[in-house]
Amino acid sequence: AQSVTQLGSHVSVSEGALVLLRCNYSSSVPPYLFWYVQYPNQGLQLLLKYTSAATLVKGINGFEAEFKKSETSFHLTKPSAHMSDAAEYFCAVREPFGNEKLTFGTGTRLTIIP
Amino acid sequence: DSGVTQTPKHLITATGQRVTLRCSPRSGDLSVYWYQQSLDQGLQFLIQYYNGEERAKGNILERFSAQQFPDLHSELNLSSLELGDSALYFCASSVGPQGATDTQYFGPGTRLTVL
Repeated sequence: AQSVTQLGSHVSVSEGALVLLRCNYSSSVPPYLFWYVQYPNQGLQLLLKYTSAATLVKGINGFEAEFKKSETSFHLTKPSAHMSDAAEYFCAVREPFGNEKLTFGTGTRLTIIP
Repeated sequence: DSGVTQTPKHLITATGQRVTLRCSPRSGDLSVYWYQQSLDQGLQFLIQYYNGEERAKGNILERFSAQQFPDLHSELNLSSLELGDSALYFCASSVGPQGATDTQYFGPGTRLTVL
């Protein structure tokens, strides 16, 4: 069964510093991978997705993620944190065949320090 | 705004009661998904409908049921409610089984509180 592990339930970075949120997946075949962001009292918004094309994926709001098969990772990065990036971030995995359900990680709450 | 609408936004009810959550997908989307977000279980997939038919089932309790109507809106019915059913229920929609290009867009959620 596919799964994702997000290391660090809480991450704090200073404004302007690098943001790195970690996600490792477990799947018998290279899956599709997603990062979603959830702002307080809102639904989930897609940041970016990997679907077996380019391994470096650029998303919205300056975020990007790199798929590394050898490390079974899909870490999310942003070069310079902004106060508006404070939110909860979810990594999700989906098998490339069969049904389309998403399996989510436990989430990482990102706090930006002024 | 994702284009997915959910009603009601908040729902407060008592144990043993039954409630119905409603979801309208984005225009043109044929697939509807229901997810539950709770503090102890995280975000979990419940069920998926595609063009009116059940396509996939996840960790959905027997007390819960769902359906998708001809106009493609979906309802999630929760009965014999327990305190542990208190959670945020999300609906998502996508075009349908299109492989890599299929993306799920989430609604704002319905927050259910069972007292």
